[in-house]
Amino acid sequence: GAVVSQHPSRVICKSGTSVKIECRSLDFQATTMFWYRQFPKQSLMLMATSNEGSKATYEQGVEKDKFLINHASLTLSTLTVTSAHPEDSSFYICSANTKPGQPQHFGDGTRLSIL
Amino acid sequence: AQKITQTQPGMFVQEKEAVTLDCTYDTSDPSYGLFWYKQPSSGEMIFLIYQGSYDQQNATEGRYSLNFQKARKSANLVISASQLGDSAMYFCAMREGNDYKLSFGAGTTVTVRA
Repeated sequence: GAVVSQHPSRVICKSGTSVKIECRSLDFQATTMFWYRQFPKQSLMLMATSNEGSKATYEQGVEKDKFLINHASLTLSTLTVTSAHPEDSSFYICSANTKPGQPQHFGDGTRLSIL
Repeated sequence: AQKITQTQPGMFVQEKEAVTLDCTYDTSDPSYGLFWYKQPSSGEMIFLIYQGSYDQQNATEGRYSLNFQKARKSANLVISASQLGDSAMYFCAMREGNDYKLSFGAGTTVTVRA
């Protein structure tokens, strides 16, 4: 079945550091990928839709300059948390669709901790 | 307005018993899809079952079945013969029309007791 790989699984870094998270579709091409943020015991909050070859579409309230998204190929989208601060600590998870009507396939997520 | 409502924050169920997780949805689009995902404490999102708005029959996948009541806009998940490994958070989600985006409910934490 479709597999989405997300890396790294865990990041601990100092405040002010920029952190890049990768999301790859391993056995299918994904023109659209999604980035979510999740706080403990809460639901997934969609941050942005990553579109291959064009700019990402951000949800209301998500800072574009803070969360940079690049979708340079049909199998890779990256999320960069720029100048991360402790309030950016969270669980970030990506997903991709194979085709309409099919379930989104999720990466295993990245736990980001900013000290 | 909330597109997906899950009213049960947490539930306990005895091993080998069945449990029903509630989900109601709100959409004006006649074409939509409903999904259930399981999220164990490790964090990964595991797809369980899908129901399309035009599907005539309720979806089933092994021990998972979806009680789809279109007129009531509900899509409850039934887990039969609960196992300890079923302990997790469960999310109901909806896709509308041709949009790939999913709207998620708040989730229900299920704890299976031995």
